[in-house]
Amino acid sequence: QVQLQESGPGLVKPSQTLSLTCTVSGGSISSGSYYWSWIRQAAGKGLEWIGRIHTSGSTSNNPSLKSRVTISVDMSKNQFSLKLSSVTAADTAVYYCVAGYSYWYFDLWGRGTLVTVSP
Amino acid sequence: QSVLTQPPSVSGAPGQRVTISCTGSSSNIGAGYDVHWYQQLPGTAPKLLIYGNNNRPSGVPDRFSASKSGTSASLAITGLQAEDEADFYCQSYDSSLSGSIWVFGGGTKLTVL
Repeated sequence: QVQLQESGPGLVKPSQTLSLTCTVSGGSISSGSYYWSWIRQAAGKGLEWIGRIHTSGSTSNNPSLKSRVTISVDMSKNQFSLKLSSVTAADTAVYYCVAGYSYWYFDLWGRGTLVTVSP
Repeated sequence: QSVLTQPPSVSGAPGQRVTISCTGSSSNIGAGYDVHWYQQLPGTAPKLLIYGNNNRPSGVPDRFSASKSGTSASLAITGLQAEDEADFYCQSYDSSLSGSIWVFGGGTKLTVL
């Protein structure tokens, strides 16, 4: 069974870049079986899809985040990563890395990691 | 403001049946895209509950069912149990001139009385 684990700094300063990594275990990220996504949840709020990548090279991001999002895959480490630039307090949230076997929904979720944007 | 609209809260007594609605528009549910549901127990990550409008992943009790019609969908929970108390989210796909994205409802908190 594929499992996901987020890692990265829990505190980021405004205007800096948020960087998170998701380590995949129990399966190979290069198998091409999954779509790898990032989803976030601000405190007391709903879920917001940030973006996704497939090992075929295809990526898509939420237009609401404009061009601040970069998602990449490191097959040698069985990891995928999120970079969100020019962060503000509005980017404070729990960030989940998620795997979707289907193109349309999200099967497996990491436990999530809280990122706070503060001076 | 979420693209899909859900009631903020619903409640029911143990053993009862509750439903949670999810209203979209012509660019998502009404365009024929499937609706999926997630359950988020307190302090945990969301878990896929229903996929493809009314299919349950292995391990999800048949007390959970869902349906879709027009621009809306609903989740039904029968034989309510205390451990069902959680937040529930609907999710679909939205395609418009602004782009194509995966969208969620704002979530519904289920309280078991």
